[in-house]
Amino acid sequence: GNSVTQMEGPVTLSEEAFLTINCTYTATGYPSLFWYVQYPGEGLQLLLKATKADDKGSNKGFEATYRKETTSFHLEKGSVQVSDSAVYFCALRKKSSGDKLTFGTGTRLAVRP
Amino acid sequence: GAGVSQSPSNKVTEKGKDVELRCDPISGHTALYWYRQSLGQGLEFLIYFQGNSAPDKSGLPSDRFSAERTGGSVSTLTIQRTQQEDSAVYLCAIGGNTEAFFGQGTRLTVV
Repeated sequence: GNSVTQMEGPVTLSEEAFLTINCTYTATGYPSLFWYVQYPGEGLQLLLKATKADDKGSNKGFEATYRKETTSFHLEKGSVQVSDSAVYFCALRKKSSGDKLTFGTGTRLAVRP
Repeated sequence: GAGVSQSPSNKVTEKGKDVELRCDPISGHTALYWYRQSLGQGLEFLIYFQGNSAPDKSGLPSDRFSAERTGGSVSTLTIQRTQQEDSAVYLCAIGGNTEAFFGQGTRLTVV
């Protein structure tokens, strides 16, 4: 079946540090890939997405590239801010699996001033 | 989140009682999902609706859990004879063409 594996947290960084959160997936064919973010006290919201191989999703300074050859969708940001502190979830979605999102376990990011 | 309203936002119930959680999406989305987020865990898929039917209910953890959807809109998730391990945040989402939009969730605490 489909699955998503992402690096365990928590990840603690200083402001302006470089961020990478690894995500790999298992699925047949070409799923769509997503990063969702959950800020403290808020609901889950889409951060970025990529729907086909080699696509790069980007938003709010975050980027992730859909790598079919390594089945990965790592999240990166060049310079994190305190306001980026949140839990980040990698997910995939495949039409043949009823369109449901399959999530990783989430990675908590804490950014220190 | 925009487009999905869940109620109640918080629910505390005694072990053994039944609870109903409600999801009220904006109209126009045929796909609706329920997920569960337990403390320190990821998001666990529970059930998926396409219109009023549920082609995938593989994630329901036991027969104490059931869900229905009426009018292609409102959905209720019912948990019978609640147990402490049912304590979690229950999230409802509606499906767009390429992404899902989540509600704020219902935090269920079973004491």
